[in-house]
Amino acid sequence: SQTIHQWPATLVQPVGSPLSLECTVEGTSNPNLYWYRQAAGRGLQLLFYSVGIGQISSEVPQNLSASRPQDRQFILSSKKLLLSDSGFYLCAWNPGYPYGYTFGSGTRLTVV
Amino acid sequence: QQQVKQSPQSLIVQKGGISIINCAYENTAFDYFPWYQQFPGKGPALLIAIRPDVSEKKEGRFTISFNKSAKQFSLHIMDSQPGDSATYFCAARGKSGGSNYKLTFGKGTLLTVNP
Repeated sequence: SQTIHQWPATLVQPVGSPLSLECTVEGTSNPNLYWYRQAAGRGLQLLFYSVGIGQISSEVPQNLSASRPQDRQFILSSKKLLLSDSGFYLCAWNPGYPYGYTFGSGTRLTVV
Repeated sequence: QQQVKQSPQSLIVQKGGISIINCAYENTAFDYFPWYQQFPGKGPALLIAIRPDVSEKKEGRFTISFNKSAKQFSLHIMDSQPGDSATYFCAARGKSGGSNYKLTFGKGTLLTVNP
């Protein structure tokens, strides 16, 4: 069966420090992968998506970047965190129609 | 044209009552409409979904009603229980270049079911 792993679960980082969040999917190949951010409030904002290794599309210009070094690995990074980067970061993958996305358990990032 | 508008923002229902959350969209190319349920500190989980060629889909206490001509769809939770208290998101799926499909989410509804 397919599963999605996301870590760490929580992270407290100082302003100006780097960031690396990792997401991996098991049990499938060549998935479409997505990074979302959920700020205090509830909306889900799509940050990046990837349809394959090395292929990254950015939805919103920001202080973050994404990479897909392997088929089932998706990484969200920042060189220097801002206070406004705080939020709940969610990775998701798309098993294809007729299914919706499957989300990971999320990373709560607090920038202090 | 990619927006999905969701209402209400928050909803309080008594145990045993009916919870109704509404969503509207503009893009007629959307081809799949899922609802997600999210508990605090957890990722959203797929609850129920519908295709635009179906007017209603029921799974247990959860029903989606879909009105293609009005470009609206809604989630009905019958016999609402305190355990249903969560944030609910509607979404709509559309193409986003090549073979990639993208979900556009509503802003969410915080449902509280009082015992």
